[in-house]
Amino acid sequence: GAVVSQHPSRVICKSGTSVKIECRSLDFQATTMFWYRQFPKQSLMLMATSNEGSKATYEQGVEKDKFLINHASLTLSTLTVTSAHPEDSSFYICSARDQATGGPRLSEKLFFGSGTQLSVL
Amino acid sequence: KNEVEQSPQNLTAQEGEFITINCSYSVGISALHWLQQHPGGGIVSLFMLSSGKKKHGRLIATINIQEKHSSLHITASHPRDSAVYICAVRRGGSQGNLIFGKGTKLSVKP
Repeated sequence: GAVVSQHPSRVICKSGTSVKIECRSLDFQATTMFWYRQFPKQSLMLMATSNEGSKATYEQGVEKDKFLINHASLTLSTLTVTSAHPEDSSFYICSARDQATGGPRLSEKLFFGSGTQLSVL
Repeated sequence: KNEVEQSPQNLTAQEGEFITINCSYSVGISALHWLQQHPGGGIVSLFMLSSGKKKHGRLIATINIQEKHSSLHITASHPRDSAVYICAVRRGGSQGNLIFGKGTKLSVKP
C-alpha cells in the first residue's frame, strides 16, 4: 500500500535554531500534502496545505514566515520551523492524498507520515 | 462547542468485548475519516466514509448523514487495538481542511 515517510522522528534543538522536517510519498505522487500539529492531549490541527509547484496555503493563525513549506516535487514536501522557540515544541505530522488519475475526489485516501516530535529547549 | 465531538474520551474494555466509539459533527461535510493513532504518534487511516457502512476485518464504520453522526465498532476487541481513535471530517466543498475530534483513548485489557 501507499507509504508516506517522514523524518526525523524526533528532534531536540536549542531555541533560535531552525529545524527541517521532510515528508515523502514513496510509491505514489502526491500533488497535495498537509501539515498538522498536535499539542499534548489536544486535537490534530491543520497548519497548511502544500501544493506541488505553488505556494502553500496556511490556516488562520499559522505564521507562514515561521513555518516555511516547500513542495518542490510530487513526492517531497518539507516543513521548516525557523527560529524555533519552546512554544513550538509539538508533534508535527504530514499526510498526503493519493488521488488516482481520473478518479472522483471522494475516492481519495489519506496516508500519514509517522510524525516528528519537536522539543525546543 | 467543538465542530467534531467524540465520545467517550476514554474507554477501557476487556479482551473480546464489542466496542463502539461515537462521533457527532455540526458542519456540512463531504467525507468523514476514522483514524487510529498509536502511542508513538503514528497515524493510520482506517476508513473514509461519505454514506452508509464500511467493514474491514473486525472494524465497522457507519455514518448517518441526516443525523450528522458516525460510529466506529470493533468486534472481538484485542489488546493490540489499544490506541487513540480519531474522527475527522472534511468540510463540504473544501480542498483539504480536516476538522479533527479530540480522540477516544481505547485500552483493551487481556
